[in-house]
Amino acid sequence: EVQLVESGGGLIQPGGSLRLSCAASGFTVSSNYMSWVRQAPGKGLEWVSIIYSSGSAYYADSVKGRFTISRDNSKNTLYLQMNSLRAEDTAVYYCARTTVDTALDYLDYWGQGTLVTVSS
Amino acid sequence: DIQMTQSPSSLSASVGDRVTITCRASQSVNTYLNWYQQKPGKAPKLLIYGISNLQSGVPSRFSGSGSGTDFTLTISSLQPEDFATYYCQQSYIVRTFGQGTKVEVK
Repeated sequence: EVQLVESGGGLIQPGGSLRLSCAASGFTVSSNYMSWVRQAPGKGLEWVSIIYSSGSAYYADSVKGRFTISRDNSKNTLYLQMNSLRAEDTAVYYCARTTVDTALDYLDYWGQGTLVTVSS
Repeated sequence: DIQMTQSPSSLSASVGDRVTITCRASQSVNTYLNWYQQKPGKAPKLLIYGISNLQSGVPSRFSGSGSGTDFTLTISSLQPEDFATYYCQQSYIVRTFGQGTKVEVK
């Protein structure tokens, strides 16, 4: 059974750093594309970042240069390092497996989310 | 970036109603169009991928259609568990979501 469990969220002051983790089971993180998606309180979904099985990584303009996606193959875990945090980064952060096939690309499994609150 | 615009932003419907939600992209997204359902306090759930492919385990009352820039999610007969917010998403260039459509009880 595929499972994704996020952790690492919490209250952090503006300008601070936080690292989110997403522990996967039932599949191999390094063989898949993996994404982070966030949702500010009462708002819609915003794609944040993706890491390909090749290791290539891409980011939304809103986080580029501040966030870094990575993975630990030995732990089958995905990470999101968030630096220079701003109030507008306050959101529930979800990790999701991204399945890619011919002319298809979709988020088929999601974690339960972890809340990041940036406030002084 | 490709902008995704859903309409309506919210709608009121009754159990048994046929519900249609539209999603328009600012440029063609080819077949890279997906739909998700989200209930309060829960993670989104994939309903339809590649415009019209039903995800495993999703009831057949859900269907998707469209092409190019205009897409539709249809619920043929609304059930109590379908009251939720629905998002379209393109994954053709980068990845972006629509703003969501909340389906509420009439």
